[in-house]
Amino acid sequence: GIQVEQSPPDLILQEGANSTLRCNFSDSVNNLQWFHQNPWGQLINLFYIPSGTKQNGRLSATTVATERYSLLYISSSQTTDSGVYFCAVERNFNKFYFGSGTKLNVKP
Amino acid sequence: IAGITQAPTSQILAAGRRMTLRCTQDMRHNAMYWYRQDLGLGLRLIHYSNTAGTTGKGEVPDGYSVSRANTDDFPLTLASAVPSQTSVYFCASSDELYTEAFFGQGTRLTVV
Repeated sequence: GIQVEQSPPDLILQEGANSTLRCNFSDSVNNLQWFHQNPWGQLINLFYIPSGTKQNGRLSATTVATERYSLLYISSSQTTDSGVYFCAVERNFNKFYFGSGTKLNVKP
Repeated sequence: IAGITQAPTSQILAAGRRMTLRCTQDMRHNAMYWYRQDLGLGLRLIHYSNTAGTTGKGEVPDGYSVSRANTDDFPLTLASAVPSQTSVYFCASSDELYTEAFFGQGTRLTVV
């Protein structure tokens, strides 16, 4: 399967700070999604972004498929942004491969 | 119902018992998936189904079986539970190949 590596594994921010999360993948993919797992365990869709750049409020994401990486930007972080951020990629046959996640803790 | 519903929300199960985790979606998505989430390992694909009547194996299929009798339902069965199957199980669905996937709220299973 495809290897998906996320960095950093852990991140502590002060409220209001900006951050960049990275996702590297080992092979070409047809689909890439970013998810936020909140402290209650729910997986929230953030972006469906196989290529290009998208923005949604304080969050934006960029995927450079030819170089096999994606970035998730969080600006003006809030305590509600805390949780784990997952990158998932899909190459064939509806098989998503997840990274191990970045655990974000935003302190007030 | 809106989206994907999993049942039960949580369960404690004695080792050796049979258990079926239920998953229902109302989005008429063709593809459905089961993942398990373990601490430090992210989510791993157990089984998937591209369309009703077909299923396939993911990364960690051993000890699990699935069926897809219709579009909406995709149950996951543990024939004889073992403690290593203690995990949080997520069901997901997507419309077509390479489109956005949506997840249920998860089932927390503890095998003792």
